Amino acid sequence: DTGVSQDPRHKITKRGQNVTFRCDPISEHNRLYWYRQTLGQGPEFLTYFQNEAQLEKSRLLSDRFSAERPKGSFSTLEIQRTEQGDSAMYLCASSVDTDSGYTFGSGTRLTVV
Amino acid sequence: AQSVTQLDSQVPVFEEAPVELRCNYSSSVSVYLFWYVQYPNQGLQLLLKYLSGSTLVKGINGFEAEFNKSQTSFHLRKPSVHISDTAEYFCAVSKAAGNKLTFGGGTRVLVKP
Repeated sequence: DTGVSQDPRHKITKRGQNVTFRCDPISEHNRLYWYRQTLGQGPEFLTYFQNEAQLEKSRLLSDRFSAERPKGSFSTLEIQRTEQGDSAMYLCASSVDTDSGYTFGSGTRLTVV
Repeated sequence: AQSVTQLDSQVPVFEEAPVELRCNYSSSVSVYLFWYVQYPNQGLQLLLKYLSGSTLVKGINGFEAEFNKSQTSFHLRKPSVHISDTAEYFCAVSKAAGNKLTFGGGTRVLVKP
């Protein structure tokens, strides 16, 4: 197992465009998390899946953001009509339970110009 | 809700000197506590965790942390740092057996030769 994979590593997009990021968790991990990290800050929780069910969403997640995890495997995070304030590192993590802690991917760095 | 405060945003330290990174948390329920390290342009890696039991927790790379319930703290220490310990360190808390981590703002450690 190669850990948590995120694609792409970097994305530059023009304001107003839609972007989609992908996360492939560790195969035996049924929990998947998305976090956003801006420069000089700690990661902020966005959303959480257990298998294919999205069990929690942060109030940070506006209507422009949507996440899916079809079949409880990989997950996608889509941002519609991007704004400059969306520029950040988007981190995906997976876990088998809370006791174990998370395994993070390397993140997708989004720059909105 | 839980919250985490990392009191130092930056800690410069000379190679082979000891370092302590401070973390205080707030929660009305029992918690699990974690320390993660983030190297430049990488995801977060778990250093150590406290779930229950002994309040002194040993982690990877020679780090250890002590849980102090009365002071609601979970400070991270290393007796002798290396240049390779230059990174950002994040303290995180979750409800015991909860589903998501709440992170502090991070402490940037710069090890000088």
